[in-house]
Amino acid sequence: DQQVKQNSPSLSVQEGRISILNCDYTNSMFDYFLWYKKYPAEGPTFLISISSIKDKNEDGRFTVFLNKSAKHLSLHIVPSQPGDSAVYFCAASGNNDMRFGAGTRLTVKP
Amino acid sequence: NAGVTQTPKFQVLKTGQSMTLQCAQDMNHEYMSWYRQDPGMGLRLIHYSVGAGITDQGEVPNGYNVSRSTTEDFPLRLLSAAPSQTSVYFCASSYSWTGVPDTQYFGPGTRLTVL
Repeated sequence: DQQVKQNSPSLSVQEGRISILNCDYTNSMFDYFLWYKKYPAEGPTFLISISSIKDKNEDGRFTVFLNKSAKHLSLHIVPSQPGDSAVYFCAASGNNDMRFGAGTRLTVKP
Repeated sequence: NAGVTQTPKFQVLKTGQSMTLQCAQDMNHEYMSWYRQDPGMGLRLIHYSVGAGITDQGEVPNGYNVSRSTTEDFPLRLLSAAPSQTSVYFCASSYSWTGVPDTQYFGPGTRLTVL
């Protein structure tokens, strides 16, 4: 069973605009959430995280929002840049378990 | 620092063959793990280790063995390869795992095909 779901396999946005990537989870034991970015032929790299005690965490152009009641998190990238084109994985952790979503491929067009 | 290194980058096996995927890190991290990535499935945890001499199973451990004799190395063994094990394998490490995951650093991956 996929406890973490990224329902959009791909997303295309124009350079300078906002990119919004979504992630849903089902396990209420998850209390820490992360986003990883992956370029082709490389391993994932950590991007940003959020604890369940917060509803927002910001790091430069990247902001993660958490809605615990909806079991939903989102990653906002503003402004989007062509170098942001990659696959983005969300991950949820809790009770010594970590699960990843299937990823969303973001393409930022110049 | 080289970070997390994995060898080989690519491997083709025949059904029934065995092999070991190598993983090493030079960051003195306690926690190491192996994931497999399949299309539409995301990353799934195979095995993990919280320190030398300590290993445990993840979400999909069947068909794989691990050991952790040193802090630096965490090899993954395929005992008898099956086509279902065709995947991209990632090794990761982090300083610790104390309930809240520390940032994991991933290796570049090994692409394995089992015929």
